[in-house]
Amino acid sequence: GAVVSQHPSWVICKSGTSVKIECRSLDFQATTMFWYRQFPKQSLMLMATSNEGSKATYEQGVEKDKFLINHASLTLSTLTVTSAHPEDSSFYICSARDQAGAQPQHFGDGTRLSIL
Amino acid sequence: AQSVSQHNHHVILSEAASLELGCNYSYGGTVNLFWYVQYPGQHLQLLLKYFSGDPLVKGIKGFEAEFIKSKFSFNLRKPSVQWSDTAEYFCAVSQYSGGGADGLTFGKGTHLIIQP
Repeated sequence: GAVVSQHPSWVICKSGTSVKIECRSLDFQATTMFWYRQFPKQSLMLMATSNEGSKATYEQGVEKDKFLINHASLTLSTLTVTSAHPEDSSFYICSARDQAGAQPQHFGDGTRLSIL
Repeated sequence: AQSVSQHNHHVILSEAASLELGCNYSYGGTVNLFWYVQYPGQHLQLLLKYFSGDPLVKGIKGFEAEFIKSKFSFNLRKPSVQWSDTAEYFCAVSQYSGGGADGLTFGKGTHLIIQP
């Protein structure tokens, strides 16, 4: 149980385009989802916390206008990287928890984003 | 802001050797502590967690960790490693706030290589 699915797993696109990444909880309802970014050979960094039906909370230094997060249902959160540039190339990982305050989080497989 | 420090970035051991990976965190309040493992090409998997109670926690695959509050440490141990333990290991901390546990703060990870 507690499966989190991300789509796509890998995307390559041209600089200036926008890319949408989906994060789905397959067998539970996720009141909260988290988005992380992992640069090569580095650790995961929390980008934002997404609560169903409300605005996301962004960590310091993360541009909310560039990384648009939508959590419209209890099973789906999306991260849209707008006007992506090569420096946005990274590994994006989402996680979800199935009830308020619950730990641990369940992680998706991640999305590798490469901007040419 | 909280931070997590993993002392060993690369560890190379022979099979059957004992393992200890260090993890220290900086936060004085209530925390939840985790160790995750990431095998090559796979998503993060939870090894073990500490919320409260017995500071010695046992996880999957023979791993255990000890929470020492006075030292702000949560070191991971395994008495006898196997080749299949080759992976990246992340220590993570979640700060507990009034609304529930927050997103995770990860250490930089330890790349463990087990030689046959």
